[in-house]
Amino acid sequence: DARVTQTPRHKVTEMGQEVTMRCQPILGHNTVFWYRQTMMQGLELLAYFRNRAPLDDSGMPKDRFSAEMPDATLATLKIQPSEPRDSAVYFCASGPGQGENEKLFFGSGTQLSVL
Amino acid sequence: GDSVTQMEGPVTLSEEAFLTINCTYTATGYPSLFWYVQYPGEGLQLLLKATKADDKGSNKGFEATYRKETTSFHLEKGSVQVSDSAVYFCALSTNTGGFKTIFGAGTRLFVKA
Repeated sequence: DARVTQTPRHKVTEMGQEVTMRCQPILGHNTVFWYRQTMMQGLELLAYFRNRAPLDDSGMPKDRFSAEMPDATLATLKIQPSEPRDSAVYFCASGPGQGENEKLFFGSGTQLSVL
Repeated sequence: GDSVTQMEGPVTLSEEAFLTINCTYTATGYPSLFWYVQYPGEGLQLLLKATKADDKGSNKGFEATYRKETTSFHLEKGSVQVSDSAVYFCALSTNTGGFKTIFGAGTRLFVKA
């Protein structure tokens, strides 16, 4: 059963520390999305990639967040330095690249707590 | 820009009650519309979708009709079960900016036995 894998599932860190979240998209999928979920803001799109190229990262605070796809099997989202307001659940999703009809497949998320 | 607005929750219903969760959208072009569901501790999963005006998406007793004239895609189910308790997200995807999917804020549904 193909699935999107995210690690770690939970991360607790102190303010100022670097946090790296990893995502393994479904093999063969060529779009990858990073979303952040909070009670106040709901599900926000942070960044997305098509064929490993970043298409839009306008939802991401550029001074501290960065997203990359070093290869087709790995996407990373990094926060440096982390702040308490970054506490949220971060989801990765991948899709087969079917344009606007694309169904997204989500990972189980990384629950981040910044103290 | 493109956006999705859905009714605030939580929505609390008794088992076998009728469910409606309202969703309206703003988009340039002709979006595809989706409902995703999130069960506790899990990621979102696709519930149903519609790709053009007047299409009806349906799955597991849920249905939603793409209404272009009212820019709406309301989710309905005739008889909810306790197992339907979850958070429901309305979403759209257009070719604006490269086919990204934008989600509403989510509506939490509690179903009581």
